[in-house]
Amino acid sequence: DAGITQSPRHKVTETGTPVTLRCHQTENHRYMYWYRQDPGHGLRLIHYSYGVKDTDKGEVSDGYSVSRSKTEDFLLTLESATSSQTSVYFCAIKGTGTDTQYFGPGTRLTVL
Amino acid sequence: DAKTTQPPSMDCAEGRAANLPCNHSTISGNEYVYWYRQIHSQGPQYIIHGLKNNETNEMASLIITEDRKSSTLILPHATLRDTAVYYCIVRVEDFGNEKLTFGTGTRLTIIP
Repeated sequence: DAGITQSPRHKVTETGTPVTLRCHQTENHRYMYWYRQDPGHGLRLIHYSYGVKDTDKGEVSDGYSVSRSKTEDFLLTLESATSSQTSVYFCAIKGTGTDTQYFGPGTRLTVL
Repeated sequence: DAKTTQPPSMDCAEGRAANLPCNHSTISGNEYVYWYRQIHSQGPQYIIHGLKNNETNEMASLIITEDRKSSTLILPHATLRDTAVYYCIVRVEDFGNEKLTFGTGTRLTIIP
């Protein structure tokens, strides 16, 4: 158990509404990542963070923003959710001096 | 990162050793072989990684051929809980923010 939790675990929302997903870690790891997983596409990186207030875009960042105001929390926001953002979202963490990523349990988001 | 080839699916009897192959004929000298798995609806889980020597941990063993063009993940006594998709990933060991790239993996089914 790498001490990662995600909330909510399931969410159904409507098109156009804002949504925020939270990733929380208890291990004080430096690196945090948001991926989405869709059938036929595997895991794709949305955004990542390499420290407090230090974030950068991944390969599918359009429509998403992130914030990391403290080490333990990495928030993913969909400013105006669209049906194409229906997916399972995974958070991952990685410590300094290691190349092993540990993943959270995932958030299943449905946008109607 | 080097490309990997894995069989799409495999079955294994419960209690037997599960041997999952991975071909990576274009692997570079500084690229490691990583294995992750994803049990249905859960986040990916790190299993093991290695450069050229065989590796063993509490979960599995990793056998890398001498020419490093292929490897085998061995689960010594498979249980029903080992049913999952197994991903072989070849990459340079990165202590920074580099994302993981998952292929399609091997769907391993443990038969009672």
